[in-house]
Amino acid sequence: DTGVSQDPRHKITKRGQNVTFRCDPISEHNRLYWYRQTLGQGPEFLTYFQNEAQLEKSRLLSDRFSAERPKGSFSTLEIQRTEQGDSAMYLCASSHSGTVGTGELFFGEGSRLTVL
Amino acid sequence: EDQVTQSPEALRLQEGESSSLNCSYTVSGLRGLFWYRQDPGKGPEFLFTLYSAGEEKEKERLKATLTKKESFLHITAPKPEDSATYLCAVPGSARQLTFGSGTQLTVLP
Repeated sequence: DTGVSQDPRHKITKRGQNVTFRCDPISEHNRLYWYRQTLGQGPEFLTYFQNEAQLEKSRLLSDRFSAERPKGSFSTLEIQRTEQGDSAMYLCASSHSGTVGTGELFFGEGSRLTVL
Repeated sequence: EDQVTQSPEALRLQEGESSSLNCSYTVSGLRGLFWYRQDPGKGPEFLFTLYSAGEEKEKERLKATLTKKESFLHITAPKPEDSATYLCAVPGSARQLTFGSGTQLTVLP
């Protein structure tokens, strides 16, 4: 399967701990997006990369959140000092910049975070 | 700020009972409207792109239409496997997507 893969699928942590999620996009895609989704809501944009450059960050992305995409391949999203409000599904998506106008993003199955 | 509103929040249909889902939007210059399907525990899956008022796209039992203020997703003779949450989205200034909160569709056999 050559789709977008995310790891871990589920993470339970205690408030105040740090967590890191990994996303491996489709190999030929140069754009990578992170979204957050809570129950009953649509995905909310967090940040995106084109190759290794982080080009846009939502104001939802507080300074406890950091994302990287070294060498323009996989990406990591780290949340420091987790809070209960961080509990959500974290979705990664990828696309090629040449198809941006089509709105077609390929999503992974998400990483579900539960903060106790 | 771009806004996308979907209605109804939830819809239950009997198998074969056709209906429509609504997506209304407020954007400064529409550069496309997109429909996605999301199954429980999965990421959204792309369905359609619509660019201009009057445009229609079809896929199996689904047909998406666009006006200047809203889009409809028509479901004809739905089957239980069409049960999912349907999301619409518009592109932001950096081409990130702004999603609505979705319509959760349940088709009963």
